Amino acid sequence: GNSVTQMEGPVTLSEEAFLTINCTYTATGYPSLFWYVQYPGEGLQLLLKATKADDKGSNKGFEATYRKETTSFHLEKGSVQVSDSAVYFCALSPYNTDKLIFGTGTRLQVFP
Amino acid sequence: NAGVTQTPKFQVLKTGQSMTLQCAQDMNHNSMYWYRQDPGMGLRLIYYSASEGTTDKGEVPNGYNVSRLNKREFSLRLESAAPSQTSVYFCASSEATLAAEQFFGPGTRLTVL
Repeated sequence: GNSVTQMEGPVTLSEEAFLTINCTYTATGYPSLFWYVQYPGEGLQLLLKATKADDKGSNKGFEATYRKETTSFHLEKGSVQVSDSAVYFCALSPYNTDKLIFGTGTRLQVFP
Repeated sequence: NAGVTQTPKFQVLKTGQSMTLQCAQDMNHNSMYWYRQDPGMGLRLIYYSASEGTTDKGEVPNGYNVSRLNKREFSLRLESAAPSQTSVYFCASSEATLAAEQFFGPGTRLTVL
C-alpha cells in the first residue's frame, strides 16, 4: 500500500541553524510528493512539491529532492527563522489520483 | 477571495447528538475533501467528492455522511456523535488534476463528551 513516514518531533533549533526533516515513502508506481506546512491555529498550506524522480521542489528557502532510489523526500533549509516554527507534513499523491496520503507531521520550534 | 471557509470553528457535543459541519470554496474547484487530524496520526481522509453530485469514501468514513450540495459546498454530518470523533476537521478543495495543490480551510475543533 501507500504510506509516508516522517521523523518524530519536535525538532528544536536556534535561529539560523540548518534544518533537515526526513521523509520516506512507500508507493506503487510513480507518486507525486509534497510538503505542507501548518502554522498555529491555521489550516495546511502547500510549501513545495515534486512530481517526478530527481525533481527539486523549492519555496521560501526550503528545498526537497524526489529520490526514487531511496524513496525519500527530505525537507531542508539552510538558515531557519523563528517564523518557520510550525508543523510540517510530508504527503504523497498516488499515481493517477488527486488524493493525498499524509505523514504524521513534524513540529519545528525555532528559538531566537 | 475567501478561499475555503468552514463553520463552526469550535463545537462541543454530547454523545449521541448530531451536527453538520459546513464547508464552502470560492475557487471554482471540482474536487473537495474532508479530513480529520488527530495527534500523532497526521491527516486522514474521511470523504472525497470529485464533482458535484459524486462522493466517495476515504480511509475513515464510518460514522460520517457527506453531501455535495453544489460545486461550492461540501458538508460533513455526524448522525450520532461518539467520543472517538473528537478531532479537528479540515475541509479542502483542489482542481481535478494530478498533483494539484489542495487548499485547506481553517478547521473545526470538535469535542464529543
